[in-house]
Amino acid sequence: DGGITQSPKYLFRKEGQNVTLSCEQNLNHDAMYWYRQDPGQGLRLIYYSQIVNDFQKGDIAEGYSVSREKKESFPLTVTSAQKNPTAFYLCASSTHDNSNQPQHFGDGTRLSIL
Amino acid sequence: KNQVEQSPQSLIILEGKNCTLQCNYTVSPFSNLRWYKQDTGRGPVSLTIMTFSENTKSNGRYTATLDADTKQSSLHITASQLSDSASYICVVSRYYGGSQGNLIFGKGTKLSVKP
Repeated sequence: DGGITQSPKYLFRKEGQNVTLSCEQNLNHDAMYWYRQDPGQGLRLIYYSQIVNDFQKGDIAEGYSVSREKKESFPLTVTSAQKNPTAFYLCASSTHDNSNQPQHFGDGTRLSIL
Repeated sequence: KNQVEQSPQSLIILEGKNCTLQCNYTVSPFSNLRWYKQDTGRGPVSLTIMTFSENTKSNGRYTATLDADTKQSSLHITASQLSDSASYICVVSRYYGGSQGNLIFGKGTKLSVKP
């Protein structure tokens, strides 16, 4: 079955620690996206990648970093510079980074502070 | 300011009843409008995508309507089931053919279907 896999489902971060959230897709999609979802808020874009070895900042990129070395993988690192990292993180992909293409989402990683 | 407003924030209905969720937007320019269903603790799943030339689109018991003149959309759920309990998210896309970095998300309507 084709889809997007996010891991881990739950993650805990200690003070001053960097943590990396995994996102893998086997849909052969060019574009991938990372969103943050907070209670009572709409999804907010952190980073997106239109193609391998290229990515752009979204609306709330500060304190986060990404890489896109392979088409199927788009890991997100939450750095210690992100002072309020507790949230539900969603990864998505689409055929191309075109506004007419639907996005397919993974089932998220919930990050909490220890 | 580009915004997507959804109402109501939450809704409780009895199984078998119909309901309608609302979405008003002030996004410009407009490319398309999407409705997603998000179960608790899961990622959103696409229900419909409508461009400005489409007035209505159905997906099983879900029917979305779009009035691009008044910038309003609705999602109608027919003969609700317990599995319809979820958050429903309205998303507006800007710039036809442009990047999906321009999606504007609503905060969602939380629907609870009771037996």
